[in-house]
Amino acid sequence: AAGVIQSPRHLIKEKRETATLKCYPIPRHDTVYWYQQGPGQDPQFLISFYEKMQSDKGSIPDRFSAQQFSDYHSELNMSSLELGDSALYFCASSFEGNEKLFFGSGTQLSVL
Amino acid sequence: QQQVKQSPQSLIVQKGGISIINCAYENTAFDYFPWYQQFPGKGPALLIAIRPDVSEKKEGRFTISFNKSAKQFSLHIMDSQPGDSATYFCAASNGLGATNKLIFGTGTLLAVQP
Repeated sequence: AAGVIQSPRHLIKEKRETATLKCYPIPRHDTVYWYQQGPGQDPQFLISFYEKMQSDKGSIPDRFSAQQFSDYHSELNMSSLELGDSALYFCASSFEGNEKLFFGSGTQLSVL
Repeated sequence: QQQVKQSPQSLIVQKGGISIINCAYENTAFDYFPWYQQFPGKGPALLIAIRPDVSEKKEGRFTISFNKSAKQFSLHIMDSQPGDSATYFCAASNGLGATNKLIFGTGTLLAVQP
């Protein structure tokens, strides 16, 4: 069965650089969620989209922005990267806002 | 402020034993309580979930017990196996509002010794 695809799997950036993370939801899933997980931490909700519109917002820094495109894939754009942004970023998808979220394998971002 | 509190932080169980992880919540608007299993470098995977109108749900070796009045729920893993060694997260969400975003507990690192 198709799963949530995230790219890249690993990303290394310098401080103050920008990064773009991509998420391709399960086919026919129209809702996407972004989470940030620090080492040994629980996933923290950043932002979500339903039918290409932002549906909810969590603890996402102003330096980050995201959008969902017409094919339902989503991108998380991160600017002015800081050391503290180093984390595992997960994308999850669901169908019509259903409570069952399916997670991708994540993007490991390292900011040096 | 942690909306979903989870304990213990880590757990060591012998093969064949029972693993028990507990969670508590405050927000009575939560109406969906899943458990996720996460292996290193992987995304969380849905294990089992329960709604407040049910006190217990069992799927294979995994059982959720739910106490609505106490606002607590727990995961029991029967006949624990070394392959169950992973981090387990409880979570909660509610269908009201814009989304069903999950609020996670702090996680429990389970090690099942052979």
